[in-house]
Amino acid sequence: SQKIEQNSEALNIQEGKTATLTCNYTNYSPAYLQWYRQDPGRGPVFLLLIRENEKEKRKERLKVTFDTTLKQSLFHITASQPADSATYLCAPILTGNQFYFGTGTSLTVIP
Amino acid sequence: EAQVTQNPRYLITVTGKKLTVTCSQNMNHEYMSWYRQDPGLGLRQIYYSMNVEVTDKGDVPEGYKVSRKEKRNFPLILESPSPNQTSLYFCASRSASSFYNEQFFGPGTRLTVL
Repeated sequence: SQKIEQNSEALNIQEGKTATLTCNYTNYSPAYLQWYRQDPGRGPVFLLLIRENEKEKRKERLKVTFDTTLKQSLFHITASQPADSATYLCAPILTGNQFYFGTGTSLTVIP
Repeated sequence: EAQVTQNPRYLITVTGKKLTVTCSQNMNHEYMSWYRQDPGLGLRQIYYSMNVEVTDKGDVPEGYKVSRKEKRNFPLILESPSPNQTSLYFCASRSASSFYNEQFFGPGTRLTVL
């Protein structure tokens, strides 16, 4: 069955630094991968999508890479701010119907 | 305002007492889905619906029922709740024609089964 692993430990970084979160998946080949942000007590919010034929995607201070050989996606937040503190979820998608999410990585940006 | 709403937001109930959690979206989305979120296990899909009268099982459907009689509503039914269904539940919807296939999530329903 599908297995998705994200950074198991919470990530604490200093404001202004780049945060890098990892998402590794096994036992399937997703057509695309999504990243969501979740704040405490709220539903996830979509951030970015990257397709299997794309190596890299950028949106403002966010950058996502997708390596189908390594079965890994990296999610970068540059010039991090305390407002970026949240849990980030990855979702490698095989089809558009069944969704599997990673357990998430909790990021804290320290002022 | 485009949104997904869930009711109730918080619910404490007892084992075996049937309950329904409602979900409604005002974006005319074809696809709707239910998830549960548990510490260490992440978000897991319970059921999803591609359109009215079309539903299918997700990863953890046991103990749950759904129906999709109207496009905007997708209620989650627990016929006989048990303590292992204590969890945080999210409803989500997405457009079938969205380029990014992004899901829009509701605010969540925290359910406790005693």
